[in-house]
Amino acid sequence: EVQLVESGGGLVQPGRSLRLSCAASGFTFDDYAMHWVRQAPGKGLEWVSGISWNSGSIGYADSVKGRFTISRDNAKNSLYLQMNSLRAEDTALYYCAKAPYGSGSYFFDYWGQGTLVTVSS
Amino acid sequence: QSALTQPASVSGSPGQSITISCTGTSSDVGGYNYVSWYQQHPGKAPKLMIYEVSNRPSGVSNRFSGSKSGNTASLTISGLQAEDEADYYCSSYTSSSTLTVVFGGGTKLTVL
Repeated sequence: EVQLVESGGGLVQPGRSLRLSCAASGFTFDDYAMHWVRQAPGKGLEWVSGISWNSGSIGYADSVKGRFTISRDNAKNSLYLQMNSLRAEDTALYYCAKAPYGSGSYFFDYWGQGTLVTVSS
Repeated sequence: QSALTQPASVSGSPGQSITISCTGTSSDVGGYNYVSWYQQHPGKAPKLMIYEVSNRPSGVSNRFSGSKSGNTASLTISGLQAEDEADYYCSSYTSSSTLTVVFGGGTKLTVL
């Protein structure tokens, strides 16, 4: 059974940093691209970032480019999102999502339950 | 990376069919067959319902179907059931940058 478990969320002050993690199990992690998608309270889904199976292709939404960094450790079956210079508008539930292929796939067949990030002073 | 355009809400009675539209541009919906649809119940993670315009994942009811014409994609749900009441989001690859995906604003489906 595919499982994606996010962690690392919490309350952080504007301008500070936070690192999210996603622990994957139930599939061969290094065969698939992975993504982060967020959802602000009461709002819609927003794609944040994606990374191919071998980290050779990486993409970011304009809203986080230059502040967030996605990475993965295939040996640890883990996906990460380093979030710097956090803003109030980054407050959201952050989902880890699996893509069905190693690269060139732009939809998500499995999702975690999310980790909540709140940016506030 | 502008969001795709969806109606804020649609409604239908049990047994009826409804269609949710998703309008983009030639840089996303119209240019690629990478449109997908997600269902999200309150407090739950999204669930993939349609991928690559019209394909259904294993386990998704055949009451759900997808299509595309030009820059507009559509999700049709036939034989509406109470359990279909949820938020629905479309998404698409966008050529604006590497590995980028854009979502629609979401549509609240109410089963009357």
